[in-house]
Parts: sequence; structure tokens; C-alpha cells
Amino acid sequence: EVQLVESGGGLVQPGGSLRLSCAASGFTFSSYEMNWVRQAPGKGLEWVSYISSSGSTIYYADSVKGRFTISRDNAKNSLYLQMNSLRAEDTAVYYCARGRTLAAAGLFDYWGQGTLVTVSS
Amino acid sequence: AIRITQSPSSLSASTGDRVTITCRASQGISSYLAWYQQKPGKAPKLLIYAASTLQSGVPSRFSGSGSGTDFTLTISCLQSEDFATYYCQQYYSYPWTFGQGTKVEIK
Repeated sequence: EVQLVESGGGLVQPGGSLRLSCAASGFTFSSYEMNWVRQAPGKGLEWVSYISSSGSTIYYADSVKGRFTISRDNAKNSLYLQMNSLRAEDTAVYYCARGRTLAAAGLFDYWGQGTLVTVSS
Repeated sequence: AIRITQSPSSLSASTGDRVTITCRASQGISSYLAWYQQKPGKAPKLLIYAASTLQSGVPSRFSGSGSGTDFTLTISCLQSEDFATYYCQQYYSYPWTFGQGTKVEIK
């Protein structure tokens, strides 16, 4: 069974940093593209970042470019999101999501349960 | 970025009703469109991809159609477990973008 479990969320002050993790199991993690998608309270879904299976290709949404860094450790079956210079508008539930195939890397077939990040003083 | 306009933003329906939700892309995306269902406090769940292909395990009362810029999700006979928010999403090109969502409520 495919499982994605996020952790690392919490309350942080504006300008602060946080590192999210996503532990994967039930599939060959190193063969799949991975993504982070977020959802502000009461709002819709927003794609945040993508990383290829090898980690060689990375994309970011304009809203987080230069502040967030996606990475992965295939030996540990883990995905990460380092978030710096956090703003109030980054407050959201952050989901890790698997890309279905290389040709459909932006198609999210499995999602974690999410971790809440709250940016507030 | 490709904009996805989803309508309606909400609708009220009864169990057994036929429900239709539409999405329009700001440019052609071939059939690179997916539909997700999200229930309160839960992660989204993939229902349909490639505009009309049902994800494994999804009931056949769900169907999708369209290509290019105009797409439709249809629930043929609404069940109690279908009351949720539905999102469409294009995966034709980065940055991947979602519609604003349609909340399906009980009439």
C-alpha cells in the first residue's frame, strides 16, 4: 500500500524557517517524481514544487521561488521542503504528492495526509 | 501560466441527482486534465485523469469528458458519500494549476 506521511509543520514567526519531511513507503520511491502542494485555510489547491526521481530537475511556483528548496533522499525514501523567509500567506496545509509517471509528473495519484504550517507572530 | 476556470463554485443537489461540473482552460491542454475529490479534513483523491480515464477503484457513476479547453465531470447518480469539493487540474505544462473548486452540498 502506498503511504506518504508528512511531518515538520507548526507555528513559525514571519521571516522564520521550517523544514517539512515526507516519508514514503509501499512503492519504489526512487522511480517516482514527487511534488509539494499546499492549501490555505478554506481555500483551493496550489502546486508548490516538483522534483524528478533522480533529483536532477526541480521546479517551483513563482510564489515560493527563491525562498523554498525541495530535495529528496532516495536512500531514506524521503522528500523534503526547506521553507525560508516565511510569510503569512504561506500559512497552509502542505501535502506531498506522487507524480503518476514521468510523462505525467504533474498528475498526483497519491497524497499524504498533510501537515499544517502557520506563519504568525 | 495556464488558468483554469471551474464552475459552478458550489451547487446543491439531492441523492440520486445527476451533477455536472465544468472546467475551461485558458489555452489548449489536449487531454491533460485530472479531477480530484476532497472531503473536509482529508487529502484530495484522484478520480479521473487524461480527461476521461477513471482511476482504479473509482465508481463508474463518475465520468469525465472533453479535450482542448473545455472539460466536464459528471456524477450520474449522486450518492451520500459524493458530497465533497471537486477540483480540476491541468498537467499539460508547468506550473500545474487547479480550478477554484466546486463544493457539492446536500439540498
